[in-house]
Amino acid sequence: ETGVTQTPRHLVMGMTNKKSLKCEQHLGHNAMYWYKQSAKKPLELMFVYSLEERVENNSVPSRFSPECPNSSHLFLHLHTLQPEDSALYLCASSQDYPGSSYNEQFFGPGTRLTVL
Amino acid sequence: QKEVEQNSGPLSVPEGAIASLNCTYSDRGSQSFFWYRQYSGKSPELIMFIYSNGDKEDGRFTAQLNKASQYVSLLIRDSQPSDSATYLCAVNMLADSGYALNFGKGTSLLVTP
Repeated sequence: ETGVTQTPRHLVMGMTNKKSLKCEQHLGHNAMYWYKQSAKKPLELMFVYSLEERVENNSVPSRFSPECPNSSHLFLHLHTLQPEDSALYLCASSQDYPGSSYNEQFFGPGTRLTVL
Repeated sequence: QKEVEQNSGPLSVPEGAIASLNCTYSDRGSQSFFWYRQYSGKSPELIMFIYSNGDKEDGRFTAQLNKASQYVSLLIRDSQPSDSATYLCAVNMLADSGYALNFGKGTSLLVTP
């Protein structure tokens, strides 16, 4: 266990559904991340939050909406997704961002999302 | 374009052999480098990091860094079937708002009994 938990672990949703992914870290870190991992592609950074403030949004479509109510919790709200959004969604945390380049990130177990 | 390149494999080695995984990166100013192991259906797990040129050893794992050649590698000695996984190279690169990890596509390692 890395100290980062994610729920649900698996999610199947239709294109008109609204759902949310949840991430919680118990490491006392100040930065949290959402990544998307699709088959045959590198991990794609989606969003970064530092001290509950969004500092990075990598041109992610608006059908993905992040929320960070405090430094321990991170949500990804999903609305009118497309089948090509099916992927493994990973949450990660690190001590700080961007402050140092010597920042190890620790990943949660991921949510396997399937959009029908 | 900031890139991290890895051979996708699969790299097949017999049990007990040394597995050598390689990674090149495009940003000459990068300072920190990470190796993650990802088992099928699981999330990436940090196994090594290296910041300085040369070798860094941790148990059966050795990370090697050559900043001049923009090259980082991971050696796994006495490979075990349980080492079979995808190994992701990640490089911290300076982006507009700060440092961000850039990942390679990963190298699939298969250790055969």
